[in-house]
Amino acid sequence: KQEVTQIPAALSVPEGENLVLNCSFTDSAIYNLQWFRQDPGKGLTSLLLIQSSQREQTSGRLNASLDKSSGRSTLYIAASQPGDSATYLCAVRSATDSWGKLQFGAGTQVVVTP
Amino acid sequence: EAEVAQSPRYKITEKSQAVAFWCDPISGHATLYWYRQILGQGPELLVQFQDESVVDDSQLPKDRFSAERLKGVDSTLKIQPAELGDSAMYLCASSLSGEQPQHFGDGTRLSIL
Repeated sequence: KQEVTQIPAALSVPEGENLVLNCSFTDSAIYNLQWFRQDPGKGLTSLLLIQSSQREQTSGRLNASLDKSSGRSTLYIAASQPGDSATYLCAVRSATDSWGKLQFGAGTQVVVTP
Repeated sequence: EAEVAQSPRYKITEKSQAVAFWCDPISGHATLYWYRQILGQGPELLVQFQDESVVDDSQLPKDRFSAERLKGVDSTLKIQPAELGDSAMYLCASSLSGEQPQHFGDGTRLSIL
């Protein structure tokens, strides 16, 4: 069974620092990996989706890398801002799943202090 | 604002009562998902629909939970009877197909007293 782990569970950085969030998964047979943002009491907003054949994906200040063989993905957020404060979750879709089921990590709660 | 509509946003009810959640997906999205998210954890899939058919309900506690999507559009998730351990955020998501990105609603926060 696929297990997804995110470490650390919480992170606090001063504004302007770069953020590095880690995600690991136990089964390398994945279809894709997705990073989400969740604000308190809200649903999930998709940030980046990396297909299994890709090594990285970029959007603005966000960059996500994928190393399928080692079961790791990293989300980099450059020049953090207080508005980046949220919980960040990664989710993996298994290559053997026909219907698109996502397996989520527990998330990393990020606080960016002014 | 999320494009997947869910109601109610908050629900407080007592143990043993019945509770229902409603979800209206993005127009044209054939695939609909219900997730449960316990505080401090990631969402866990409860049930997945492709049009009006259930394609995965392996994690749905079928003795007390039921879900339907009668016309392949909006969906209802019901709990009867509710238990204290059901307190959680219930999220609905939809996608064009199982291979496309999922779009989430803002969820229903359920508190069981």
